Amino acid sequence: EAQVTQNPRYLITVTGKKLTVTCSQNMNHEYMSWYRQDPGLGLRQIYYSMNVEVTDKGDVPEGYKVSRKEKRNFPLILESPSPNQTSLYFCASSSRSPGQSYSNQPQHFGDGTRLSIL
Amino acid sequence: GQQVMQIPQYQHVQEGEDFTTYCNSSTTLSNIQWYKQRPGGHPVFLIQLVKSGEVKKQKRLTFQFGEAKKNSSLHITATQTTDVGTYFCAGIGNDYKLSFGAGTTVTVRA
Repeated sequence: EAQVTQNPRYLITVTGKKLTVTCSQNMNHEYMSWYRQDPGLGLRQIYYSMNVEVTDKGDVPEGYKVSRKEKRNFPLILESPSPNQTSLYFCASSSRSPGQSYSNQPQHFGDGTRLSIL
Repeated sequence: GQQVMQIPQYQHVQEGEDFTTYCNSSTTLSNIQWYKQRPGGHPVFLIQLVKSGEVKKQKRLTFQFGEAKKNSSLHITATQTTDVGTYFCAGIGNDYKLSFGAGTTVTVRA
């Protein structure tokens, strides 16, 4: 089954304790990205990757890191989490970068990770 | 990058009625996508519009892309309880970045 898998689904942790949220897709997609969803603000892109070893900042990258060493995996790293990073996080992938082709390039989202930073 | 504004933020609809949600961009878009997120779920792709003035239908849902490619709308006819959720538009600018609107959260009164 084609899917994007995020882990963990839920995490409660404390300020300053490094954490990693994993994301893996089995569709051989080139493009992957991370979003955070907050009430009234919709989905804001944190980082994206157009292919292996190619990553770039989205709209709200401060406090986050990513890596893309393999095509299928795109982990999100919070080196020193703070309470303002409490949010619902989604990983997404698509076969190609949005806008690279006029054919549909839908984003396939994972089930989400709800992070609470105390 | 472009900013995508979506209105209204909330839409309370009587079952059987129609409603429309609107999406406006500060810049011209190359294309626009629409997603639906059910309560507790993740966004699911509905459709992509590419051409100026394009209109696409999916059963009771009608999607439109403005002539200037700076706005879009989603119109739902005869709302059903299965339409509950948050509808997001996402605009793709010339920088290939996907910018999501804040979403319209729809509740339905039976």
